[in-house]
Amino acid sequence: EIVMTQSPATLSVSPGERVTLSCRASQSFSSNLAWYQQQPGQAPRLLMYGASTRATGIPARFSGSGSGTDFTLTISSLQSEDFAVYYCQQYSNWPRTFGQGTKVEIK
Amino acid sequence: EVQLVESGGGLIQPGGSLRLSCAASGFSFSSHAAHWVRQVPGKGLEWVSHISPSGSVTHYADSVKGRFTISRDNAQNSVSLQMNSLRAEDTAIYYCARENWGWGDYFDCWGQGTLVTVSS
Repeated sequence: EIVMTQSPATLSVSPGERVTLSCRASQSFSSNLAWYQQQPGQAPRLLMYGASTRATGIPARFSGSGSGTDFTLTISSLQSEDFAVYYCQQYSNWPRTFGQGTKVEIK
Repeated sequence: EVQLVESGGGLIQPGGSLRLSCAASGFSFSSHAAHWVRQVPGKGLEWVSHISPSGSVTHYADSVKGRFTISRDNAQNSVSLQMNSLRAEDTAIYYCARENWGWGDYFDCWGQGTLVTVSS
């Protein structure tokens, strides 16, 4: 099983700041990595796939990068609607696995 | 509008059984694989099960293997999760998710979830 580890667990930031979230895999795979955003009380929403491709309707302030074992989600200028929990997920191997999540909260 | 709507959650005693359903609409359901993902309230996401578009291939998390069975009815545009021998640790919100069609098996659409509570 590929274990996905996200850091940090919580990020306290101010609106307008640049944010970088990390996701590390226990074994290497190509770019079969997705990022999801979850607002309180809502279902997760797809943000990125293929490590660096934005899903439909996702603003350009979101970007993703990485391959192998290290992946990053960057939000260039945090907006109020971006305060949420973010999960990475690998879809390279079975079982599919998620990171434990990074909560982005208002500073 | 692409939509997934789960149903069937509720309170069930340990050792009991429950069947969750997910109704799909707004897209060609039979072209997409489907998954169940669960989340203990306030905790992270855990992948549970997968079924291929035809239903011929399934996968399960070790934590539910042998107890849960995923199935689908393409004529009814629905996917189900039969949960037997339920345990307290199965308590969670269960989400149905659509797998992308084409390259990349990510989850591009999620339902709103249904809560399963296993407790005596």
